[in-house]
Amino acid sequence: GAGVSQSPRYKVAKRGQDVALRCDPISGHVSLFWYQQALGQGPEFLTYFQNEAQLDKSGLPSDRFFAERPEGSVSTLKIQRTQQEDSAVYLCASSLAEESYNEQFFGPGTRLTVL
Amino acid sequence: AQSVTQLDSHVSVSEGTPVLLRCNYSSSYSPSLFWYVQHPNKGLQLLLKYTSAATLVKGINGFEAEFKKSETSFHLTKPSAHMSDAAEYFCVVSGRSGTYKYIFGTGTRLKVLA
Repeated sequence: GAGVSQSPRYKVAKRGQDVALRCDPISGHVSLFWYQQALGQGPEFLTYFQNEAQLDKSGLPSDRFFAERPEGSVSTLKIQRTQQEDSAVYLCASSLAEESYNEQFFGPGTRLTVL
Repeated sequence: AQSVTQLDSHVSVSEGTPVLLRCNYSSSYSPSLFWYVQHPNKGLQLLLKYTSAATLVKGINGFEAEFKKSETSFHLTKPSAHMSDAAEYFCVVSGRSGTYKYIFGTGTRLKVLA
């Protein structure tokens, strides 16, 4: 079956613009994660959903970042009033269940460049 | 709290020689540990995982890692490097922290010389 897909793959935004990044997880996967990967760094956790419930948003860097998963499948990460420091690759991952030993499957990422 | 430290940011090996990528972890409880590989412009791919079963874990493409609790290490090895192994490698820790989020190391870039 299909893996995790993300769109768009590349996004260029002018500073101050709002952007929306989409994630389609693997069908049937309960858990969904968003990570931010700055250039030359490892990914860092942003937020976690179990079905439609956002159980952890401790990694969101500011209140300009907002994520939702209203029907427990597709998720959208929204960034309002983008800043240059928001430039990064945003990775989405899904997992079949919530146990720690479950592998997370990653999408290809959305590369956001804020000018 | 959990954390992971990858001891080398860059490793260069000649094709056909052994690979060693070092990872130390910190965790208040029994962790799950993973190694992922990231090729340029491609998504993260799981190489192997440790989940408190056998301490020597075998993964894909000839990679393996050994969990050593006394040393808090989870080093990645491969007997013979191939050109296609050139990529970025991430050590990851996850555990009973409520969300099972991944904590990534800063990565090790492996270069394979012909």
